[in-house]
Amino acid sequence: KFMLTQPHSVSESPGKTVIISCTGSGGSIASNYVQWYQQRPGSAPTTVIYEDYLRPSEVPDRFSGSIDSSSNSASLTISGLKTEDEADYYCQSYDNNNRDVFGTGTKVTVL
Amino acid sequence: EVQLVQSGAEVKEPGESLKISCQGFEYSFTDYWIGWVRQMPGRGLEWMGLIYPGDSDTIYSPSFQGHVTISADKSISTAYLQWNSLKASDSAIYYCARRVSGNYDYWGQGTLVTVSS
Repeated sequence: KFMLTQPHSVSESPGKTVIISCTGSGGSIASNYVQWYQQRPGSAPTTVIYEDYLRPSEVPDRFSGSIDSSSNSASLTISGLKTEDEADYYCQSYDNNNRDVFGTGTKVTVL
Repeated sequence: EVQLVQSGAEVKEPGESLKISCQGFEYSFTDYWIGWVRQMPGRGLEWMGLIYPGDSDTIYSPSFQGHVTISADKSISTAYLQWNSLKASDSAIYYCARRVSGNYDYWGQGTLVTVSS
């Protein structure tokens, strides 16, 4: 079974950089695209990164994504952290049968 | 603008049936997969399954197969999520979302389902 594991929480001060990991198990994370979603309280998720590293036009370039095959993990980097970035973040990918899986989720706190 | 509009909040008793809906606007509904995602109170996102409204091809998560039914009526651009017998543990927010190349690019507003006696 393909699973994605994230740290439960990360926190950092405004202006700093946070990196959220998403580690795959039961399959290769590099085999299919990885997406990242931001979810603020009381709202539906929105995409911040799709297809491993692409950014929707409305998402600031402070958000970036990458894949590391050697560690079977994906990462979301948020640089120049702002208070508005405080939210839950989820990675998502799928297996070769098109069954999606979401990561366990990471709460980002801006100190 | 692309929109997915979900049906309103529901309060049901254990054992009752329920069908919630997700209607698509301003895009070709039959050309994109629609996924359903559960979020239990204070918990993360759980993928339930997918449907392709063009031919009603459906893929379920093993965790939800047999407990829910995903369907679609392409004539009214609407996808459905259905339970025959609800349990208290089905209380959650349910989201539908449009899937493009593995990415869920548009989401419904969510439907809150409360199951309580």
